[in-house]
Amino acid sequence: TQLLEQSPQFLSIQEGENLTVYCNSSSVFSSLQWYRQEPGEGPVLLVTVVTGGEVKKLKRLTFQFGDARKDSSLHITAAQPGDTGLYLCAGARNYQLIWGAGTKLIIKP
Amino acid sequence: DTEVTQTPKHLVMGMTNKKSLKCEQHMGHRAMYWYKQKAKKPPELMFVYSYEKLSINESVPSRFSPECPNSSLLNLHLHALQPEDSALYLCASSGQGGSGNTIYFGEGSWLTVV
Repeated sequence: TQLLEQSPQFLSIQEGENLTVYCNSSSVFSSLQWYRQEPGEGPVLLVTVVTGGEVKKLKRLTFQFGDARKDSSLHITAAQPGDTGLYLCAGARNYQLIWGAGTKLIIKP
Repeated sequence: DTEVTQTPKHLVMGMTNKKSLKCEQHMGHRAMYWYKQKAKKPPELMFVYSYEKLSINESVPSRFSPECPNSSLLNLHLHALQPEDSALYLCASSGQGGSGNTIYFGEGSWLTVV
């Protein structure tokens, strides 16, 4: 059972375009973490959002946690080829991380 | 420093071998985790240690045996594995486990069972 729906699962866009990745659930999470993972490497933490309605910015990346703490989005402005990678959202509940399926992002020069 | 260190980076073992994966963190985290990740899939939780005690075992076969010698170290002992156990094994740690504590991952150990 996929408790955290992540979309899109694959996205290929041109350099300079904007994009948004969504993670949605019917369950409440105490926090939500976004990771980026390169092939053969472990997930690297990008951000943790904790408070409902919270917005965090990391250069051209903007992360938002829904007011009800059930959903989150990642928005990338003016995407660059270096943004290419697998992006994973994970909702925290007790000791568990509930993972989205991941979004494979390709930015073409 | 948010580093979780895993060794070895790559491991090839036969089905009759005994080997171990090692993990170390010096962030003072009290919860440590083992995850297994297959290609194109999110990580799957295997074990959780909290304050050096095993708190969660996600019905993992006994051919995988975790060990937490102290609060900074976590091992995963491997014995009589099957080819389908080949995967990326990820160690992670967090402040105290439980809600709201960010989980940091190591770079992973690539395991190939032949």
